Amino acid sequence: NAGVTQTPKFQVLKTGQSMTLQCAQDMNHNSMYWYRQDPGMGLRLIYYSASEGTTDKGEVPNGYNVSRLNKREFSLRLESAAPSQTSVYFCASSETYWTGDNQPQHFGDGTRLSIL
Amino acid sequence: SQQGEEDPQALSIQEGENATMNCSYKTSINNLQWYRQNSGRGLVHLILIRSNEREKHSGRLRVTLDTSKKSSSLLITASRAADTASYFCATDAMDTGRRALTFGSGTRLQVQP
Repeated sequence: NAGVTQTPKFQVLKTGQSMTLQCAQDMNHNSMYWYRQDPGMGLRLIYYSASEGTTDKGEVPNGYNVSRLNKREFSLRLESAAPSQTSVYFCASSETYWTGDNQPQHFGDGTRLSIL
Repeated sequence: SQQGEEDPQALSIQEGENATMNCSYKTSINNLQWYRQNSGRGLVHLILIRSNEREKHSGRLRVTLDTSKKSSSLLITASRAADTASYFCATDAMDTGRRALTFGSGTRLQVQP
């Protein structure tokens, strides 16, 4: 049981390039999330998908787009990468988004992205 | 803005000692969660405590919640070298109108063998 799988694990981009980070979960979870983790900042929510077919902005959505491809997959796209987007990106999933209280989230091992 | 803030930022102890980490938050919550992150890995959920609970145990972990002080603590008893990791608290941020987890910046725990 793989849980949450993220690809690639590492990537170096030049400013202005675009790329898509892939995420897939095999736990039949309804909700999926994208976070970025910067030193000393903790995790910040970029976008989330409460259920298949829906996506919503999180705390720091500027410069990113997402696609909930199906129940298993949730991708994050950087259209024109900037050095400020250098970070570690984590995908997470949970059984549901809101049933009166938040569900525990399951995380992938991250994508380390450097933008030069 | 950070809803949860951990204290201390870093903690170094000897194997066998207890480790205590604290988390403070700003607004009302429904629950608070603690996660562990090993170096180079994703976060792993440890324990969830609801706002109507005061204490919860899971193995060597003990979590307390004081909603009047808007604070929580995570106690790891009889620590092991394998407990070396960063520990994060996470709360639901009601003031954003969005039910999503907000993570603190974490406590880095080093357990010396």
